[in-house]
Amino acid sequence: AQSVTQLDSQVPVFEEAPVELRCNYSSSVSVYLFWYVQYPNQGLQLLLKYLSGSTLVKGINGFEAEFNKSQTSFHLRKPSVHISDTAEYFCAVSVGNNDMRFGAGTRLTVKP
Amino acid sequence: DAGVTQSPTHLIKTRGQQVTLRCSPKSGHDTVSWYQQALGQGPQFIFQYYEEEERQRGNFPDRFSGHQFPNYSSELNVNALLLGDSALYLCASSQRGSFQPQHFGDGTRLSIL
Repeated sequence: AQSVTQLDSQVPVFEEAPVELRCNYSSSVSVYLFWYVQYPNQGLQLLLKYLSGSTLVKGINGFEAEFNKSQTSFHLRKPSVHISDTAEYFCAVSVGNNDMRFGAGTRLTVKP
Repeated sequence: DAGVTQSPTHLIKTRGQQVTLRCSPKSGHDTVSWYQQALGQGPQFIFQYYEEEERQRGNFPDRFSGHQFPNYSSELNVNALLLGDSALYLCASSQRGSFQPQHFGDGTRLSIL
C-alpha cells in the first residue's frame, strides 16, 4: 500500500522568505500526488496535483512542487510567503482509485 | 455551484451513543469518501461509496458504517462511540471514471464526552 511521510511537523519562516515543505512517498506502483492546505476550522483545499507529464507542477497562491521519481519526493515550494499562508499543509498520494493517503501534515507559520 | 456540504458542523455525544453524519457531494460528482482527522494528524481514510455500495475501506472497525443514496449524498454512522472517536470527520467527493482530485467539505467536529 502507498504511504506518505512529511518530514517536518512545523516550519516557521519570516514573511517574504522562501519556504520548502518536504514530502516523501512510498508505493510499488505509479502514483498521483497532491498537496492540500487546511486553514483553521475548515476542510482541505487542493493546492496542486501531479498526475503525469511535467515534473514541475504549479498550483494556486504561488505554490509549486516538483515530482522526483528517483527520490520518491514531492516537495512543495514558494519563493516568497505571506502571513496569509499560515496554515496546515498535507501531502497525499493515490494510485488512481480515489483512495487517498495523507501525511501527518506540516504546520507552516509565517512571522512578520 | 455548491461544493461539498456537511452537516451538522459540530456535534457532542457521550460514550456508547450512536451518531449519523451527512454529506452532499459537489454537483456532478458521484463518489463520496469519508475521512477521520484526529487533532494534530492527517486525515485517515474510512471508506468510499460509489453506486450506493461501499467500494473500499480503510482500517476502521465495523462500528463505522455508511450509506449512499440515489442522489449521491451519503451518511456516515458510528455506533458505540468511544472517546477516541472524537475527531473532525471530512467528506470528500469526486467523479468516477476520469481521475480527478477529491473536493472536501468543511467537516463535522464530533466530540465525545
